[in-house]
Amino acid sequence: GDSVTQMEGPVTLSEEAFLTINCTYTATGYPSLFWYVQYPGEGLQLLLKATKADDKGSNKGFEATYRKETTSFHLEKGSVQVSDSAVYFCALGGGNEKLTFGTGTRLTIIP
Amino acid sequence: SAVISQKPSRDICQRGTSLTIQCQVDSQVTMMFWYRQQPGQSLTLIATANQGSEATYESGFVIDKFPISRPNLTFSTLTVSNMSPEDSSIYLCSVVADTDTQYFGPGTRLTVL
Repeated sequence: GDSVTQMEGPVTLSEEAFLTINCTYTATGYPSLFWYVQYPGEGLQLLLKATKADDKGSNKGFEATYRKETTSFHLEKGSVQVSDSAVYFCALGGGNEKLTFGTGTRLTIIP
Repeated sequence: SAVISQKPSRDICQRGTSLTIQCQVDSQVTMMFWYRQQPGQSLTLIATANQGSEATYESGFVIDKFPISRPNLTFSTLTVSNMSPEDSSIYLCSVVADTDTQYFGPGTRLTVL
C-alpha cells in the first residue's frame, strides 16, 4: 500500500537558518502530495501541495517540488522564523481518497 | 477552500461514557472523513462518510465503537462509545474541496479519565 516516510524529529534551528524536512513516498498511481502544518493546540492547515511530477508548491516562504524520479517531496524554507515552530506532516492522496500521512516532524525555532 | 467547525473543541469524559462530536462545513461536500490523532502521533483515518450511505471504516475501527451519521451534505457526527483512557486523542474531520485537497476542522481534544 501507499506509505510516506518523513524525517524524524524533533528539529531545532536558530532563527534565519535554512530548513529542510525530508519526505519520501511509495505509491501506486500518481497521487497528489501535500504538506500540512499543525501549530500548538490547533488543527491541521494546508501549507502547500503539488499535483503532478515536477510541480512546485509554495506558500509563506516554504517550497516543495514533486520529484517522481526520487519519489520525494522535501520541504524547504530559506530563512525560518520563531513563528514557524510547529509540527509538519507530509501526506499523499488526492481526489476523494484518504490521505496517507507521515509521522510528523516537530520543528522548534529559537531566537 | 472550505471552512469547517467542530463541537466540542475539547472535553474531559469518564470511562464508560460516550461523546458525540459534530462537524459542520460551510458548503455542500460529498466526502467527509474522520481521523484520530493519538498523543504525539500522526493521523489515522477512522472512516469515510458519504451522505446517504453507510460509513466505510478502516481496519481496526468498528461501527459499534465509532458510529457515524451523515444526515446531509454539510454535517456529520462521530460518536466515541464506551470510552476508555486509550480513546484520549484529537479527533478531526476533513472534507475534500478544490478538486483534490482535504481541509481539516480544528479538532476535538478528548481526554478520558
